[in-house]
Amino acid sequence: DADVTQTPRNRITKTGKRIMLECSQTKGHDRMYWYRQDPGLGLRLIYYSFDVKDINKGEISDGYSVSRQAQAKFSLSLESAIPNQTALYFCATSDLASGPSYNEQFFGPGTRLTVL
Amino acid sequence: SQQGEEDPQALSIQEGENATMNCSYKTSINNLQWYRQNSGRGLVHLILIRSNEREKHSGRLRVTLDTSKKSSSLLITASRAADTASYFCATEPYYNQGGKLIFGQGTELSVKP
Repeated sequence: DADVTQTPRNRITKTGKRIMLECSQTKGHDRMYWYRQDPGLGLRLIYYSFDVKDINKGEISDGYSVSRQAQAKFSLSLESAIPNQTALYFCATSDLASGPSYNEQFFGPGTRLTVL
Repeated sequence: SQQGEEDPQALSIQEGENATMNCSYKTSINNLQWYRQNSGRGLVHLILIRSNEREKHSGRLRVTLDTSKKSSSLLITASRAADTASYFCATEPYYNQGGKLIFGQGTELSVKP
């Protein structure tokens, strides 16, 4: 969905490096999410945020941190990357307003991260 | 752990045939959603069914929900090669703070022309 963008799209880094993945949205949604996808494991929630002042841990938050700089921006950081953090990372947004799009999540195109 | 378990993990059919994918979940839900993912790309929402609904249609898609069995199925009728993708179910748990979804591992569908 072009309304949710992620940068970079691909990144190769080395063990121990600090990495930041960025997500921006123009949908005006309050809720934003970070997921990682590994083959055969589906999507697992890392962190989520319901508004600028709200940060919540997901299923697999260890080794990650996030920052919600504005309603439209939600960044994911790997403080010291390790090889098992090699995965496809997705940002998503949603809106709980009533209507046909209730709680539908809109995904960005993903960031493919490789940690050597 | 994952809320949703999907079956089969992979499905290969011929164009024109129907494809059925199943999803089972563990806890009570507010709603269940189905998403589609083309290879390596972001997920796209297909359809949402609420816990008080039993069946829903959207174009060639038909979703059923059986809350007593904690299961759902997605039927794609008259499949096309362009339907080749991975399909994920996602549940919004009943206890949910609001907006959090739990995804299954997905079914990889291959439609051969």
